[in-house]
Amino acid sequence: NAGVTQTPKFQVLKTGQSMTLQCAQDMNHEYMSWYRQDPGMGLRLIHYSVGAGITDQGEVPNGYNVSRSTTEDFPLRLLSAAPSQTSVYFCASSTSRLAGGNSYEQYFGPGTRLTVT
Amino acid sequence: RKEVEQDPGPFNVPEGATVAFNCTYSNSASQSFFWYRQDCRKEPKLLMSVYSSGNEDGRFTAQLNRASQYISLLIRDSKLSDSATYLCVVSGTTSYGKLTFGQGTILTVHP
Repeated sequence: NAGVTQTPKFQVLKTGQSMTLQCAQDMNHEYMSWYRQDPGMGLRLIHYSVGAGITDQGEVPNGYNVSRSTTEDFPLRLLSAAPSQTSVYFCASSTSRLAGGNSYEQYFGPGTRLTVT
Repeated sequence: RKEVEQDPGPFNVPEGATVAFNCTYSNSASQSFFWYRQDCRKEPKLLMSVYSSGNEDGRFTAQLNRASQYISLLIRDSKLSDSATYLCVVSGTTSYGKLTFGQGTILTVHP
């Protein structure tokens, strides 16, 4: 299993540009989420999904869109990039309690380092 | 007040030392508690879950005090490889476990 994969690893955008950060998992996890990590702030939840076709906002959703058309993929779209969106973005996935096991162990992708100038 | 608060450190300790990290959380309805480890410029990885009865995994011991809303992590006999950022993580009542992270505590173990 590849686990959780993210592309690209690094990206530089100009203010106002749009782009999509890709995230995929091959563990058949229902739950997927996007976090951003900034110095001194810890990881903050942007959006999450509890299954294909179902998404919801996290703590810091403004400026980002998501969709979940398949179980495997959960792309994050930046609509009009701003310097405040310079950050490291992590995608994560986990199983649900009903599926058994340690449902809250979230598996993280390697991250995308985004700089907006 | 932040939902999950940690002392950011940094903690600089010699090899073999015992070091303890503390964490407090504000939501009394929180259900699940974890310590994650994050190496420099890498993704977070689960270190251990935290239970009210306390739990131990080798050199690592985690404790939860629900009455005080306090979580701790004790590392005994520190190794150079323990150098990392330790993240205190709390989950709410949903079955899908939306996680709330503390800002992390930086540990550096030196020879």
